[in-house]
Amino acid sequence: GAGVSQSPSNKVTEKGKDVELRCDPISGHTALYWYRQSLGQGLEFLIYFQGNSAPDKSGLPSDRFSAERTGGSVSTLTIQRTQQEDSAVYLCASSLGRRSGKSEQFFGPGTRLTVL
Amino acid sequence: AQKITQTQPGMFVQEKEAVTLDCTYDTSDQSYGLFWYKQPSSGEMIFLIYQGSYDEQNATEGRYSLNFQKARKSANLVISASQLGDSAMYFCAMRELGNNDYKLSFGAGTTVTVRA
Repeated sequence: GAGVSQSPSNKVTEKGKDVELRCDPISGHTALYWYRQSLGQGLEFLIYFQGNSAPDKSGLPSDRFSAERTGGSVSTLTIQRTQQEDSAVYLCASSLGRRSGKSEQFFGPGTRLTVL
Repeated sequence: AQKITQTQPGMFVQEKEAVTLDCTYDTSDQSYGLFWYKQPSSGEMIFLIYQGSYDEQNATEGRYSLNFQKARKSANLVISASQLGDSAMYFCAMRELGNNDYKLSFGAGTTVTVRA
């Protein structure tokens, strides 16, 4: 596939459980981003990976959230001890990561997380 | 402080007419990029148009044009000859390049409904 893929597309979990969300970026894209979109809202930045640099974690809402990117490709966003307020669509995006302003981000279809 | 402000939660437009979606932004960076994305009910984020802060011409992409007024810090999207398929949520976003930053800051979005 040519686009960004995410799995699962939907995840329903119980409060207190841990969840892992996966993102497979476009091949060759060095930059990878995670965003969160609550119902009817705009996107909230969570974390960003660029090549081998240390990730920008400035958007993570709490220490229950973490992410890693293995081999500069696939990324996993982990939410520990999920809370109901974590319910949202989690979107992953990737880009070429160029310095130029127009380094367009391509988004995946998202994972809809519901915490009961 | 909110970096991107979209003041219109929802708009209705008649098919074949033009519609303008408002976006104002707040940044102290001299170098930044402005993006518009479309999000249909299916959920994917579709890139529409980009305007760089140093671009002298307003960006255009087919039926989309960006009315960039730098002094007023506004970047309104104009959709000409609206089609039923234009019904979606539209997000304005900004990337600030001053700190070698790549993440996008999004507005809350505007829902556009095109009427036949």
